Amino acid sequence: DAKTTQPPSMDCAEGRAANLPCNHSTISGNEYVYWYRQIHSQGPQYIIHGLKNNETNEMASLIITEDRKSSTLILPHATLRDTAVYYCIVRDSYNTHKLIFGTGTRIQVFP
Amino acid sequence: EPEVTQTPSHQVTQMGQEVILRCVPISNHLYFYWYRQILGQKVEFLVSFYNNEISEKSEIFDDQFSVERPDGSNFTLKIRSTKLEDSAMYFCASSEGDTSSYEQYFGPGTRLTVT
Repeated sequence: DAKTTQPPSMDCAEGRAANLPCNHSTISGNEYVYWYRQIHSQGPQYIIHGLKNNETNEMASLIITEDRKSSTLILPHATLRDTAVYYCIVRDSYNTHKLIFGTGTRIQVFP
Repeated sequence: EPEVTQTPSHQVTQMGQEVILRCVPISNHLYFYWYRQILGQKVEFLVSFYNNEISEKSEIFDDQFSVERPDGSNFTLKIRSTKLEDSAMYFCASSEGDTSSYEQYFGPGTRLTVT
C-alpha cells in the first residue's frame, strides 16, 4: 500500500471548515483513498473514500487532485464532537484486505 | 443504522489465561477483521476472515491467536495463554465485500487488560 503523509495536528474553530491534507505521492491507479477517524479510544469510524472523483457524503467531502498524489478531507462545519484523530489510508485490496493506519492528524476543534 | 457490536467492553485477565473476545458483525457483511491498538500506538491489523477461513493474517497473529465464526452471527478472537503485552484495545470490523471499494465498519472495541 502507498504511504501517506499527514500533518500531526491541526486546530479548527467551531463552525468553520476543517481542511485536512494528505499526501500519497506513490499511489497507483487501483488504490482508493480512505478516511477514518478515531475519537479518543473508540473504534475507527469510516468517513469517506474515493478513487479519482471528488466525493461528498453527510459527514464530509473528499477532494482528490487530478494526479491523485494528494487529497483533502473537508469537514464543512466543524463541531466540538469532530475533535479526533483523522487517518488518511491508501488501500489496494487486490493484494491485501487490511487497512494500514498511520499516526494520522489530531484535530482539535475549539469553541 | 446497522453497527458492529463487541463484548465485553472491558476484560481483565491474568497472564497465562485464555480469553475470547466476541463480535457481532453487520448482518449482511461477509468479510470480518480483527485489529488491535496498544495504548498510545497505531491501530494494527491482525487477521481477516471470509467463508470460514483466514484470508490474511499479520505477523502479530501467531499460534497464540485463533478466530472462529461459531454460528451465523458471532465472530470471535481467542487468545490462548495471554501475555502482558497482549493488553490493548481489540477492534472487530466487517465489510460487505473485499475489494478496495468496500469500506470496513468497526466496533467500539474490547479493552483487554492482562495482569
